[in-house]
Amino acid sequence: DQQVKQNSPSLSVQEGRISILNCDYTNSMFDYFLWYKKYPAEGPTFLISISSIKDKNEDGRFTVFLNKSAKHLSLHIVPSQPGDSAVYFCAAKTGGGNKLTFGTGTQLKVEL
Amino acid sequence: NAGVTQTPKFQVLKTGQSMTLQCAQDMNHNSMYWYRQDPGMGLRLIYYSASEGTTDKGEVPNGYNVSRLNKREFSLRLESAAPSQTSVYFCASTTGYRDYGYTFGSGTRLTVV
Repeated sequence: DQQVKQNSPSLSVQEGRISILNCDYTNSMFDYFLWYKKYPAEGPTFLISISSIKDKNEDGRFTVFLNKSAKHLSLHIVPSQPGDSAVYFCAAKTGGGNKLTFGTGTQLKVEL
Repeated sequence: NAGVTQTPKFQVLKTGQSMTLQCAQDMNHNSMYWYRQDPGMGLRLIYYSASEGTTDKGEVPNGYNVSRLNKREFSLRLESAAPSQTSVYFCASTTGYRDYGYTFGSGTRLTVV
């Protein structure tokens, strides 16, 4: 049972445009969400997070939006840059511990 | 450089062989994790150690064992490797504070033939 879903395996956008990566979850006990970025042959790196008490968190070019009623979150990257080309994983955890449940990932390609 | 170090980076095993994947962190983190990454499956938790002296099963523990040797080191052992264990394995650690997320190692690519 996939509790965290990223339904788009890949996404292609032009440099300078907005990239929107989506993530859905089914477990209503999740109360903290994170996005990780992964380059080939490297481990994932933490990008941005959001608590369930918020609906938006912003860090430079990256903004995460959370819609609890829809059990949906999204990552916006504006403007997109070629260096943003990577696999992006959505992750979630419950308040009781530190285990993360990851989605399947979305491969973002930012084209010149 | 501070971080999570995994060894080896690559390994090829024959079915039935055993091996241990090593992981060490120098950030004084309390919690450590082992994940595997497979195409179309994302990252799945194998085992974790919330603190020194404790270990618990994750989502896909069958065929694996772990040892939290001390606060720095957390090893993953395959007793009898199977082709289904061909994967990329990632070790991660965290302070345990929610805002920090995980720090991952660079991974071990394991092929079982």
